[in-house]
Amino acid sequence: RKEVEQDPGPFNVPEGATVAFNCTYSNSASQSFFWYRQDCRKEPKLLMSVYSSGNEDGRFTAQLNRASQYISLLIRDSKLSDSATYLCAVNMKTSYDKVIFGPGTSLSVIP
Amino acid sequence: GAVVSQHPSWVICKSGTSVKIECRSLDFQATTMFWYRQFPKQSLMLMATSNEGSKATYEQGVEKDKFLINHASLTLSTLTVTSAHPEDSSFYICSAREWGALGYGYTFGSGTRLTVV
Repeated sequence: RKEVEQDPGPFNVPEGATVAFNCTYSNSASQSFFWYRQDCRKEPKLLMSVYSSGNEDGRFTAQLNRASQYISLLIRDSKLSDSATYLCAVNMKTSYDKVIFGPGTSLSVIP
Repeated sequence: GAVVSQHPSWVICKSGTSVKIECRSLDFQATTMFWYRQFPKQSLMLMATSNEGSKATYEQGVEKDKFLINHASLTLSTLTVTSAHPEDSSFYICSAREWGALGYGYTFGSGTRLTVV
C-alpha cells in the first residue's frame, strides 16, 4: 500500500460546481497534513494546512479524520483559475522527519 | 513570507557530466531541507532529507553516491547529480521546513528542470 493515496482523476467540472478530493495515509503516527496545488511545470504552492478541527479559507475547506486516516479538500463555487493538480502531503514521523506527497488529482474547471 | 531560491531553473548537460543544484532559504534558517524529483505527469518523489551539519537521509532506491547532498549551512543545501544520464532528466525541487506562528510549514524552491543529452 502506498504511503499516501489520492482520488484518481481527472476531475472535469463546470464553473460554479463544488468538488471534493480525498486523500488517505498509511502511517497512523502522521502528525501534519497539507494540501498543495501545482500548476503545470511549476513548483507546488501551499493551499492549506489541515488541522484536527478542520479549517476553512474562503471557498476551500479542509477536513482531517484521524480515525479513518484521511483528509479531504472541498472547493466551492469552482473558478476557471482553480484548474490545477491538487496534492496532499503528509508529514510522517518516522525515525526522521519526512514529508510524503500523494500522486495528485487533476482538476479542470470548464466554462 | 518564507522564500526559497533554487538555481538554476533549467540546465541541459551532456551525459556523464555532473550538475549542481542550489537551494537557499532567503529570510529564514532552514535546518531541514527536502529534495524531490518529479517525472512528467507523476507526483513528487522524496529523494532525501538533509539536515544542516549532518549526513542526508536517503529514501530507499535513491543512490547516495549519485545524488550528493550537502547542507553545510543553515541557508544553503546543494544537490549534485554525478555522472548524469538521460534517465536522470527530471524536475528537481527542494523544500525547506520553517517555523511559523501556527507551527511548521514547507516552502518550495521554483524547481530545476534537468535535461541530460
